[in-house]
Amino acid sequence: AQSVTQLGSHVSVSEGALVLLRCNYSSSVPPYLFWYVQYPNQGLQLLLKYTSAATLVKGINGFEAEFKKSETSFHLTKPSAHMSDAAEYFCAVIRSGGSYIPTFGRGTSLIVHP
Amino acid sequence: EPEVTQTPSHQVTQMGQEVILRCVPISNHLYFYWYRQILGQKVEFLVSFYNNEISEKSEIFDDQFSVERPDGSNFTLKIRSTKLEDSAMYFCASRPGQGNGANVLTFGAGSRLTVL
Repeated sequence: AQSVTQLGSHVSVSEGALVLLRCNYSSSVPPYLFWYVQYPNQGLQLLLKYTSAATLVKGINGFEAEFKKSETSFHLTKPSAHMSDAAEYFCAVIRSGGSYIPTFGRGTSLIVHP
Repeated sequence: EPEVTQTPSHQVTQMGQEVILRCVPISNHLYFYWYRQILGQKVEFLVSFYNNEISEKSEIFDDQFSVERPDGSNFTLKIRSTKLEDSAMYFCASRPGQGNGANVLTFGAGSRLTVL
């Protein structure tokens, strides 16, 4: 079975600071990994995905994530936070070769201070 | 941009009542899903649906729950005899199943269910 752990239910940064949201996964086979974002009163929107191609994945809104097999991690980063980045972020994993049913983490709420 | 539409956005019901949550997936998508998120907890998989039948379900999806695709556009989740612990945000999602983005789920905004 696959699972993801998101460390920190809340992350607070100042506008312009680096954003780092952590995600560690467990999977018995090479996984597909995703980051979704949820803005208030909206659905889950795909930020980026890793599907065994390049280990550094670039997504929308300046976000990127790096797949590190040795650390079983897929942390989400953005060099400079913007007020509009304030949202809930979810990491998800799909077991490659299996049914395409994402398993989600608890989510991390990103708070951006002026 | 095509989107998944869910109604109602918020429903309040009395314990023991039946509720139906409705979803309109993206029109050319073949796979449909329901997830739920109890406040402060993980987004949990409930059920997936393909070719007019359930393809997978979690242990949460017991006899209290059912899904239906009554016509070519709607995908519904019925919860019978609601309990307090059914209070959650319910998300519908769909994916194409073929072509570009075949395995990427598109989610709706969610339906918040409050059971009193």
